[in-house]
Amino acid sequence: NAGVTQTPKFQVLKTGQSMTLQCAQDMNHNSMYWYRQDPGMGLRLIYYSASEGTTDKGEVPNGYNVSRLNKREFSLRLESAAPSQTSVYFCASSLTGVGYTFGSGTRLTVV
Amino acid sequence: KNEVEQSPQNLTAQEGEFITINCSYSVGISALHWLQQHPGGGIVSLFMLSSGKKKHGRLIATINIQEKHSSLHITASHPRDSAVYICAVRGTGNQFYFGTGTSLTVIP
Repeated sequence: NAGVTQTPKFQVLKTGQSMTLQCAQDMNHNSMYWYRQDPGMGLRLIYYSASEGTTDKGEVPNGYNVSRLNKREFSLRLESAAPSQTSVYFCASSLTGVGYTFGSGTRLTVV
Repeated sequence: KNEVEQSPQNLTAQEGEFITINCSYSVGISALHWLQQHPGGGIVSLFMLSSGKKKHGRLIATINIQEKHSSLHITASHPRDSAVYICAVRGTGNQFYFGTGTSLTVIP
């Protein structure tokens, strides 16, 4: 099915471990985004990529890095996980002038 | 102060009722989005607006740029409409701001 695929769906990390969240879309969208969602905070933008080869910081980029590997893929890396990064992470993509398509989310717990 | 404010935060309605969710924002925008998040966590984009009104099935979204206000209406509500509805705006400088959502429960 066409859409945004995120992996993994669930992950538990120990403080200090690293991991990469993967995101891929097959809709030929130019823009891709990483959000985190915390209770009572709403969605907050971590990083976005307006087009292949470009990335920009969002509202809460500290502790994260991203790579726009190609037009389809946009990964989010936590180099040294902290308990404050426990959250639900969503990847999304969009085509200019069209609404977002979201992935199903990754529930990350850092202990 | 949040750039995007939604009201109400929580809403319970009887099946068949007409529902309105409001969104006010304080920044200049290039577009406003309404999103729906179901209890399982998945997020679906319902509307993208930059002016006027859009309709899709029983859902209607309106925006008043001068008043910096948008509404999402649900006609003939149904229990399957139970979800969190999120208002999001894209600022003119490409910033993104999200409301904290309105949790809707429709009782049969």
